[in-house]
Amino acid sequence: NAGVTQTPKFQVLKTGQSMTLQCAQDMNHNSMYWYRQDPGMGLRLIYYSASEGTTDKGEVPNGYNVSRLNKREFSLRLESAAPSQTSVYFCASTIGGDQPQHFGDGTRLSIL
Amino acid sequence: QKEVEQNSGPLSVPEGAIASLNCTYSDRGSQSFFWYRQYSGKSPELIMFIYSNGDKEDGRFTAQLNKASQYVSLLIRDSQPSDSATYLCAVNIEGGFQKLVFGTGTRLLVSP
Repeated sequence: NAGVTQTPKFQVLKTGQSMTLQCAQDMNHNSMYWYRQDPGMGLRLIYYSASEGTTDKGEVPNGYNVSRLNKREFSLRLESAAPSQTSVYFCASTIGGDQPQHFGDGTRLSIL
Repeated sequence: QKEVEQNSGPLSVPEGAIASLNCTYSDRGSQSFFWYRQYSGKSPELIMFIYSNGDKEDGRFTAQLNKASQYVSLLIRDSQPSDSATYLCAVNIEGGFQKLVFGTGTRLLVSP
């Protein structure tokens, strides 16, 4: 039972490069989320998808794009990476309503 | 800006003691509240969640809500060194859909 799977686990990029972070869940959850976690800042919502076919901006969307590919998969893209995007990125999902979110193991991203 | 605030700690307690962690929130309309535990370098894992209709106990953990004062607490009885982690409080700020705002977390240290 994999839960929420994120790839890659680690990545180093140079400023200006692009990349896509992948997230997949096997729990038949409706809603999916992307967060970033920085020291002293807590978890901040980047984008979310309430259901398949919909996406919305969270608190810190600038510099990112997302795609809800199907019910299972929700990807996060950095088009032109900047050092300020160095962070740990977590994907989460929930069946919806007031049910708790379940998190993936995270992607540790460094941008030089 | 809807906010969730936690004391960053560290909160130090001896093994076997009760650890009390608190979280205040700004949105009076919030209806669901979540506590996550995060070990260093790992992803958040759900400890407990409660709704606005009451407190909840699960083993050594109790979550309590004080709606009038707008704070949520997590009590850990018989604290163990393995409980040493950062505890994240999250509050759902949306009605009918889950959109969490996280506090920055309280670091708990349980000494043997």
